[in-house]
Amino acid sequence: AQKITQTQPGMFVQEKEAVTLDCTYDTSDPSYGLFWYKQPSSGEMIFLIYQGSYDQQNATEGRYSLNFQKARKSANLVISASQLGDSAMYFCAMREGVNTGTASKLTFGTGTRLQVTL
Amino acid sequence: DTEVTQTPKHLVMGMTNKKSLKCEQHMGHRAMYWYKQKAKKPPELMFVYSYEKLSINESVPSRFSPECPNSSLLNLHLHALQPEDSALYLCASSQPRDRGHNEQFFGPGTRLTVL
Repeated sequence: AQKITQTQPGMFVQEKEAVTLDCTYDTSDPSYGLFWYKQPSSGEMIFLIYQGSYDQQNATEGRYSLNFQKARKSANLVISASQLGDSAMYFCAMREGVNTGTASKLTFGTGTRLQVTL
Repeated sequence: DTEVTQTPKHLVMGMTNKKSLKCEQHMGHRAMYWYKQKAKKPPELMFVYSYEKLSINESVPSRFSPECPNSSLLNLHLHALQPEDSALYLCASSQPRDRGHNEQFFGPGTRLTVL
């Protein structure tokens, strides 16, 4: 079974508008972390935002915010005021067992390609 | 310095060649990772080193041989590769002790083509 599901293969958004990228996850581990990464066409994976399973508040980082609904097992990324430079592939990822003291292992979703238009 | 560097950026090799990919970080991270990413797919974990010891091998074929000479360097030695091994190879690093906000930092990748 898929641990991370991103159901939107592609999304379009107009410049300056907000956009939500969906991510649902599946785990029985009470301790986990959720990440969003951006991958431009150059290939580098750029970390955007993190949400821990025990965090009481939704994470925010500048124009990025994470809509974390634990009961629904969803962690949607909201990008406000989209810019042309936001055009990229976006991956949701999960790390289970955050307090194991070992190196982390990320499971990635299939990604959503976002295209920002004028 | 919050950067992971990878060399070379591009590599073309024949199936009988031996080559190596190099990754370096100076953030004091003690966990380093190799990922393989095919076009239009998510990254797939290959190897994890924690404190310079191999801690995870995701059943990768032996034609890929990782090496961690010290806490800042990670190599991936390639030998007798197949055309289907052509992909983007990404290196990442993080602190090995998972405490809260502990993301992996990725390098720009090496685009490998096997002829």
